[in-house]
Amino acid sequence: DAGVIQSPRHEVTEMGQEVTLRCKPISGHDYLFWYRQTMMRGLELLIYFNNNVPIDDSGMPEDRFSAKMPNASFSTLKIQPSEPRDSAVYFCASRSLWDTQYFGPGTRLTVL
Amino acid sequence: TQLLEQSPQFLSIQEGENLTVYCNSSSVFSSLQWYRQEPGEGPVLLVTVVTGGEVKKLKRLTFQFGDARKDSSLHITAAQPGDTGLYLCAGAQTSYDKVIFGPGTSLSVIP
Repeated sequence: DAGVIQSPRHEVTEMGQEVTLRCKPISGHDYLFWYRQTMMRGLELLIYFNNNVPIDDSGMPEDRFSAKMPNASFSTLKIQPSEPRDSAVYFCASRSLWDTQYFGPGTRLTVL
Repeated sequence: TQLLEQSPQFLSIQEGENLTVYCNSSSVFSSLQWYRQEPGEGPVLLVTVVTGGEVKKLKRLTFQFGDARKDSSLHITAAQPGDTGLYLCAGAQTSYDKVIFGPGTSLSVIP
């Protein structure tokens, strides 16, 4: 298995632009998680899905952030409009109920 | 609200030394995990502990889960430069629950 795949690996954008991050979970995993990591706040859970359904989005910072999982093999995290304080590394992770959680390589987002 | 604390925040040691890092909480966890994260990569799971008092060994790494399942420690014997990285503990209250991460201990092993 290729593991969790994220794209792009790096994204540089200007304030106010829309940013879309993509994730392909490991096949057969029915949980998908989006995290954000910064030096100040560490690794924060933003939202997670079970069987494509959002279960807990209490970590989503504000309405500018949205996440979708249209099918079992694809999820997106969208920021619109982006702000400099959104600069961070965004990780996607997946797992099955009794398995461990596997992280993708992350997307490093810089908002200028 | 679950809250995990880790200490020390930063640790720099010479190759061959031993070290222990700690993960503490006021909450009880059904399981606790330790991850290592290298620069530019995602965290990678090292071990999961589920039973109070449990001790697990992974080569030179020894993990212990506290009797009350509120704390854990990671001991590294004869540290190597390859052990350098960010060590994260993470806990969940149930198997169905989200995993909450601690802030991490950044370890640097100097050759």
